Amino acid sequence: SSELTQDPAVSVALGQTVRITCQGDSLRSYYASWYQQKPGQAPILVIYAKDNRPSGIPDRFSGSSSGNTASLTITGAQAEDEADYYCNSRDSSGNHHVVFGGGTKLTVL
Amino acid sequence: EVQLVESGGGLVQPGGSLRLSCAASGFTFSSYEMNWVRQAPGKGLEWVSYITSSGRTIYYADSVKGRFTISRDNAKTSLYLQMNSLRAEDTAVYYCARVAYGVHLGYYYYYMDVWGKGTTVTVSS
Repeated sequence: SSELTQDPAVSVALGQTVRITCQGDSLRSYYASWYQQKPGQAPILVIYAKDNRPSGIPDRFSGSSSGNTASLTITGAQAEDEADYYCNSRDSSGNHHVVFGGGTKLTVL
Repeated sequence: EVQLVESGGGLVQPGGSLRLSCAASGFTFSSYEMNWVRQAPGKGLEWVSYITSSGRTIYYADSVKGRFTISRDNAKTSLYLQMNSLRAEDTAVYYCARVAYGVHLGYYYYYMDVWGKGTTVTVSS
């Protein structure tokens, strides 16, 4: 089955730009979706279908994809963006399973 | 308001059983595929199971196959997860999530746009 790989931790200075990446074979067929999770809370969807933001998600969040790598970019990171971020797609091997990356803990300095 | 509310979690001994429920409201439940996703303490998200809108097609993660059963009652707008032969490693917060998928510019997309707040399952003696 496919796997999605993320860096465990990333930090960014307040107001700067940060990119969180996700690698995996399934991303050659699937756009990654991205979820933000704060401590004690359920995940919320922040990016889907390449570069779409659900209603209520600030436009500083954007997505991109190239080859087997998807990226979530936060332009002008805010203190409230400090959270765990997970990428997700469906397994492209044909088993219909769903895969998540291991998550990236974003620290805003 | 679109909402998913899980219930049924609790403390259970190893080898025991538990049935989780997920009550949906604010949208046409019968039109959507659904997932169960779990998160062990201090760990990442793990997909558990998927069911189509009709309930006819079901998939499970290898870690729960043969022990867990997903089902739904569209008339009651509810999703269920029957968990048998529970192990310590099943200890987690269990979330239900609404699925959306399709094709866009030659790529597939798959995401979960609505999540419940989760219900906690603890397997311990």
